[in-house]
Formats: sequence, structure tokens, C-alpha cells
Amino acid sequence: DTGVSQDPRHKITKRGQNVTFRCDPISEHNRLYWYRQTLGQGPEFLTYFQNEAQLEKSRLLSDRFSAERPKGSFSTLEIQRTEQGDSAMYLCASSPGSGNEQFFGPGTRLTVL
Amino acid sequence: SQQGEEDPQALSIQEGENATMNCSYKTSINNLQWYRQNSGRGLVHLILIRSNEREKHSGRLRVTLDTSKKSSSLLITASRAADTASYFCATDANDRGSTLGRLYFGRGTQLTVWP
Repeated sequence: DTGVSQDPRHKITKRGQNVTFRCDPISEHNRLYWYRQTLGQGPEFLTYFQNEAQLEKSRLLSDRFSAERPKGSFSTLEIQRTEQGDSAMYLCASSPGSGNEQFFGPGTRLTVL
Repeated sequence: SQQGEEDPQALSIQEGENATMNCSYKTSINNLQWYRQNSGRGLVHLILIRSNEREKHSGRLRVTLDTSKKSSSLLITASRAADTASYFCATDANDRGSTLGRLYFGRGTQLTVWP
């Protein structure tokens, strides 16, 4: 399977704990995006990378959130000191460049108790 | 800030009928895309239409774009129960006209196709 993969698919954690999600994009895609989606809403942009450079961060991304893409390959999204409001589906997508379709992974569903 | 807005929010039809979903947006765009999402899953890209195109087809899908009205429609012909999903339009510009490569999604239309 050469699509976008995300790990884990589900994560349940207690408030205050740290969590880390991983995204493996399609190998030849230089752009990687993170979105968050809550129930009944469309995905909301969090941040994106072109190769290893993080080019933009949404205001939704508080200082508890950090994302990396070392070597321009896979990416990780870490949430520190999780809050119940962080419960959502976290989606990763990749594309070969700007202005193209984005290919989404299956998402990581986070539940913060 | 979200830009696209789908209409209706929910649509319920019988198998074999056509389903039409609309999307309106506020500023100039380079392209508009439609995605499908089954419950609890990731999004699947359906079709991309560029601002200089007026209509595109892909199988049972037909997408139109009217840049003068800042609207798009997605038509699914001869619907099937397996078409049941949420459908989102996404633009490459926010409501201030800034294009940065990311996508701006609406809240989606929930389509239910009854067998």
C-alpha cells in the first residue's frame, strides 16, 4: 500500500498526558499537512511542511502542539499536557506540491478523558 | 477561517436517484476540490476543478464551477447505497483571498442513499 499512513489509529489518554502521532506520506510527495476534525465539522488546517521546512502554523496550534518532519520524510505531531478539548480526529495529508490534490491518511482519533 | 459552505447540510435519497450538492465560497480561488469521507475515516479525493474550467466529469460524478457566482456543484448520478458518506468542498484560498497551498473545508453535506 503506497498511500498515506498514520499511527496509531486510535489513542485514548488522560488529561495532562503527552501524546505523539506519526504520519508517513506518499514517498515522492514533498508537501505534508496536518488537519484536525471535530464531529460535524470539516477538517481545519493545523500546519504544513515543504520537505523538512515547516512553512505555516495555524493559530489553532497552541504552544502545546509541535510538529516535526525530520529529513523531509515522515512527520510527527506531539500534543503536550492534553486537554479534553484536544479530542478530535487528526488527519495527515500529502501532495506533490501546491495547487494539487491532497491525499489523506485514515486519521488518528484522539480521546482525552 | 473556513471558506466553503456546502448546501444542503443533509440529503437523503433513494438508490438510483441523482444527488446534487452545492458549495459557495467568498473569494477568488485557483482551484476547488471535492472530497468524500465515510464515517470515522480519512478523506478521499474525488475531483479537482481549476478556476479556468467550468465542468469536469469522473465516472458518475459531474462537477461544475461558476466563478462569477463563486459556487460549485457536485452531481452524483444513479446513486448507490455505497455513496452514503459526507461530501466536502475545499478551496485553496481563505475568505481573505490568501492562497498558501493549504485547503479550506466547509462543514460538508451528509448524503444518505437508501437501498
